[in-house]
Amino acid sequence: NAGVTQTPKFQVLKTGQSMTLQCAQDMNHEYMSWYRQDPGMGLRLIHYSVGAGITDQGEVPNGYNVSRSTTEDFPLRLLSAAPSQTSVYFCASSGGGMGQETQYFGPGTRLLVL
Amino acid sequence: AQKVTQAQTEISVVEKEDVTLDCVYETRDTTYYLFWYKQPPSGELVFLIRRNSFDEQNEISGRYSWNFQKSTSSFNFTITASQVVDSAVYFCALSGGNSGYSTLTFGKGTMLLVSP
Repeated sequence: NAGVTQTPKFQVLKTGQSMTLQCAQDMNHEYMSWYRQDPGMGLRLIHYSVGAGITDQGEVPNGYNVSRSTTEDFPLRLLSAAPSQTSVYFCASSGGGMGQETQYFGPGTRLLVL
Repeated sequence: AQKVTQAQTEISVVEKEDVTLDCVYETRDTTYYLFWYKQPPSGELVFLIRRNSFDEQNEISGRYSWNFQKSTSSFNFTITASQVVDSAVYFCALSGGNSGYSTLTFGKGTMLLVSP
């Protein structure tokens, strides 16, 4: 079982460029979410999805776009990268049913925007 | 709105000392879940424990123990006889709220440094 996978592991972008961070899970989890981690800030929720075709905004959604066309995949798109989006991005998934509330995280993507 | 407070930004101990990491939470939900995650220097997030709001029993797992008290909205984590491998950032988190149980609200984390 691969669990939650994220690609790429590390990316450097120039201001204004766009890119997609990939996230996939093989646990048939309904819930998936994206967080960003900044020094001294903990993890903050960007967007989340409770199932294919359903997404919603979290605490810090501006500048990011998501879609959920399949249960397995939940890509995060940066429309026009800004230095403020330099961060470590984590994708997570959970089962969504009773007793399945634990979120499992991918290894993270470290993004540097110049 | 939900909130998790980890007042200790950084703790330094010497190996074999006991250490307690504090976590205080705020929520209006009657049903919620509390979590602790460990983030070692390698960067991944490792799940340690989940507790639901109806279960106030303390839990012990090896050198780790957790004290959940609804009366004080606290979910503290104690490491007994700390080891260098315990050095990491520890996050307390809360689920529930507007997104149901699909997302987490995190504290800012406590960095634990265990020196030999």
